[in-house]
Amino acid sequence: GAVVSQHPSWVICKSGTSVKIECRSLDFQATTMFWYRQFPKQSLMLMATSNEGSKATYEQGVEKDKFLINHASLTLSTLTVTSAHPEDSSFYICSASGIRGSYEQYFGPGTRLTVT
Amino acid sequence: AQSVTQLGSHVSVSEGALVLLRCNYSSSVPPYLFWYVQYPNQGLQLLLKYTSAATLVKGINGFEAEFKKSETSFHLTKPSAHMSDAAEYFCAVSDRGNTGKLIFGQGTTLQVKP
Repeated sequence: GAVVSQHPSWVICKSGTSVKIECRSLDFQATTMFWYRQFPKQSLMLMATSNEGSKATYEQGVEKDKFLINHASLTLSTLTVTSAHPEDSSFYICSASGIRGSYEQYFGPGTRLTVT
Repeated sequence: AQSVTQLGSHVSVSEGALVLLRCNYSSSVPPYLFWYVQYPNQGLQLLLKYTSAATLVKGINGFEAEFKKSETSFHLTKPSAHMSDAAEYFCAVSDRGNTGKLIFGQGTTLQVKP
């Protein structure tokens, strides 16, 4: 149980285009989802926290107009990277929590974004 | 504010040797603490967690960690390393608050030599 999926697992896009990444909790309802960014050989950096039905809360320094997060249902959150640039190339990981009110986060497999 | 420091960005052990990955935390409230493992190009897998019950926590794959409040530490150990243990390990702290946010350490790469 507690499986989180991400789609796509990897994506290549051209500079200036937008990319949408989906995060789904497959067997539980996620009241909260988190989006992280990870650069090569580095740790995870929390970008934002989203609760179902409300606006995401962004961490300091994260551009909310560039990284659009939608948490429209208890099983789906999306991250849209708008007007992507090469510096947005990274590994994006989502996590979800909410099983029986638990604090524990369950992580997706990640999405590798490459902007050319 | 909370923070996590992992001492040693790279640890190398021989197969069969003891694994010790160090983690120190800072928290103004009693923390929840976690250890995660990450294999290349994959997400994170929970190894174990401390949530204020027993201070010695046993996890998957033979790993365990001990919460020491006086030392603000939560070091990860495994008696005998396997080649399959080679991966990136992250220590994380949560404030138990409604946000449930995790603060991660910098990570430690574990290399296991044959």
